[in-house]
Amino acid sequence: GQNIDQPTEMTATEGAIVQINCTYQTSGFNGLFWYQQHAGEAPTFLSYNVLDGLEEKGRFSSFLSRSKGYSYLLLKELQMKDSASYLCAVRDLNMFSGGYNKLIFGAGTRLAVHP
Amino acid sequence: KAGVTQTPRYLIKTRGQQVTLSCSPISGHRSVSWYQQTPGQGLQFLFEYFSETQRNKGNFPGRFSGRQFSNSRSEMNVSTLELGDSALYLCASSLDPSSYEQYFGPGTRLTVT
Repeated sequence: GQNIDQPTEMTATEGAIVQINCTYQTSGFNGLFWYQQHAGEAPTFLSYNVLDGLEEKGRFSSFLSRSKGYSYLLLKELQMKDSASYLCAVRDLNMFSGGYNKLIFGAGTRLAVHP
Repeated sequence: KAGVTQTPRYLIKTRGQQVTLSCSPISGHRSVSWYQQTPGQGLQFLFEYFSETQRNKGNFPGRFSGRQFSNSRSEMNVSTLELGDSALYLCASSLDPSSYEQYFGPGTRLTVT
């Protein structure tokens, strides 16, 4: 089956570092995404990992271990505007439908940054 | 470059009615995916269209359908609406199905009463 788990809520202090974990189980893994979604807005793309290791992009980094079915999103130097939901999504390659992908999302982690 | 547009932004319907939602992808993007987002279930994949053909489908009943036109614009239709269909419906576009960057539209907030 397909399953993605991430914590429901996290809180952190402005200026600190926070790590949001994501574990997954899929039948045809073809990449892992992190999206940010502010309340009432559409998700925006943060990062994409398809190979093991760390991808760094400014204050945000994302890590992937395919053998462990595990990823994390690391946010450094937290700012109040980082208060949002963070969605972990796995691209599942469906070989039975012409090899096309679909994104399977976790329920999201609601991050609250306080002063 | 204009982003993904969805119309209408808000919609109120009653049970049993049907509804059609529209999505215009970013210019040059040919792949359109639809998602349903609810507080309880999160973001769930509905279907993906590319070159006017449905390429992939999520686990939704047949009341949910869609199509894509030659200009890549897409519509989704929900017939015989149920209260549980109240959700934010998001459309995302990408260059093609192999492209990893998907851009989401602002969504259509559907309320079924």
